[in-house]
Amino acid sequence: GAVVSQHPSRVICKSGTSVKIECRSLDFQATTMFWYRQFPKQSLMLMATSNEGSKATYEQGVEKDKFLINHASLTLSTLTVTSAHPEDSSFYICSATTSGPQYFGPGTRLLVL
Amino acid sequence: AQRVTQPEKLLSVFKGAPVELKCNYSYSGSPELFWYVQYSRQRLQLLLRHISRESIKGFTADLNKGETSFHLKKPFAQEEDSAMYYCALSGDNAGNMLTFGGGTRLMVKP
Repeated sequence: GAVVSQHPSRVICKSGTSVKIECRSLDFQATTMFWYRQFPKQSLMLMATSNEGSKATYEQGVEKDKFLINHASLTLSTLTVTSAHPEDSSFYICSATTSGPQYFGPGTRLLVL
Repeated sequence: AQRVTQPEKLLSVFKGAPVELKCNYSYSGSPELFWYVQYSRQRLQLLLRHISRESIKGFTADLNKGETSFHLKKPFAQEEDSAMYYCALSGDNAGNMLTFGGGTRLMVKP
């Protein structure tokens, strides 16, 4: 089946630093990748949609300058949380698709101290 | 606008009992509906999609356009079915974007 990986799986950083999270589709080429945020005991909230070679489309309320998304190839998208603050602590999940269902990564837990 | 509602946050049943996880949606076009499952400490994974009309792990779901529902059912729950279940919708003009319901935690007791 389609496999999506994320790196790192867990990151702890100091307030004010930037953190980059990678999302890779391992055995298929993903024309579209999605970034979600999941708070404890809550559902996934879509942050942005990323198409290879074009600018990401952000959902309402998501700051594009804070959450930088790069989708440079059909197998890699990155999410950079810039100048992270404690309120950015969360579980970030990516998914990838060519068409049809999305395949999800295992998630990255970010803790900002 | 598209919306997915899962009215139950928690559903607790005994092993062997029937299970129905409810999902209602609102969308003006032709939606594609999915059920995703997230077992403890594992990633979200696709359980089934309505266009496949298949049964996975004993689960089935039928799209009822009249009632705008896509309830997930299993006649005999197993302990290993305990997980978070998310209903999701993809609109026909949404570029594969999914809208998720709030999720239902299924607990199957021995």
